[in-house]
Amino acid sequence: AQTVTQSQPEMSVQEAETVTLSCTYDTSESDYYLFWYKQPPSRQMILVIRQEAYKQQNATENRFSVNFQKAAKSFSLKISDSQLGDAAMYFCVASGTYKYIFGTGTRLKVLA
Amino acid sequence: KAGVTQTPRYLIKTRGQQVTLSCSPISGHRSVSWYQQTPGQGLQFLFEYFSETQRNKGNFPGRFSGRQFSNSRSEMNVSTLELGDSALYLCASSLAAGGSSHEQYFGPGTRLTVT
Repeated sequence: AQTVTQSQPEMSVQEAETVTLSCTYDTSESDYYLFWYKQPPSRQMILVIRQEAYKQQNATENRFSVNFQKAAKSFSLKISDSQLGDAAMYFCVASGTYKYIFGTGTRLKVLA
Repeated sequence: KAGVTQTPRYLIKTRGQQVTLSCSPISGHRSVSWYQQTPGQGLQFLFEYFSETQRNKGNFPGRFSGRQFSNSRSEMNVSTLELGDSALYLCASSLAAGGSSHEQYFGPGTRLTVT
């Protein structure tokens, strides 16, 4: 069975600083994909970044980047130059055969 | 292109009743997944439909059921409601079935309160 673990229920970061959200996963599948989704307060969940497991290069989307360590089954999200609008619940997600497995989420607070 | 829509947005029901929630995916998307989100349990997968077929099901009792129509619209039904069914129910659509690299697009959710 696939599992996704986010060990940090809540994190805080000062505006303009950098923060890293942790995620580990477990899967027996050889072909899978990893995602970070963001759910702002009272707003819809949206995709932040996506990583194909077969690619060694870490994905980057503007201020968001991942550190994908396949052997360690680790998939952390780094947010650079944090902005007030980054405050949200962040979910780490693994996509396997016919399913998406969500972690429990990390609530990120951005301090002005 | 219109996003994923869910109706109704808010619903209040009494224990023992049943409820039907609706989800209209993004045009062209054939996969629809349903999730239950609660403060205590987080986001839990209910089921996924692709081309009118249920592809996968989460660990929920048989009171939770769903279906998908030929136009990809999906409905979720919960019978004999319990207080613990109070939650935000999210629908997500995607071009392909789960297990692919395609992102899921989420709707705003239906907030169900059972009294």
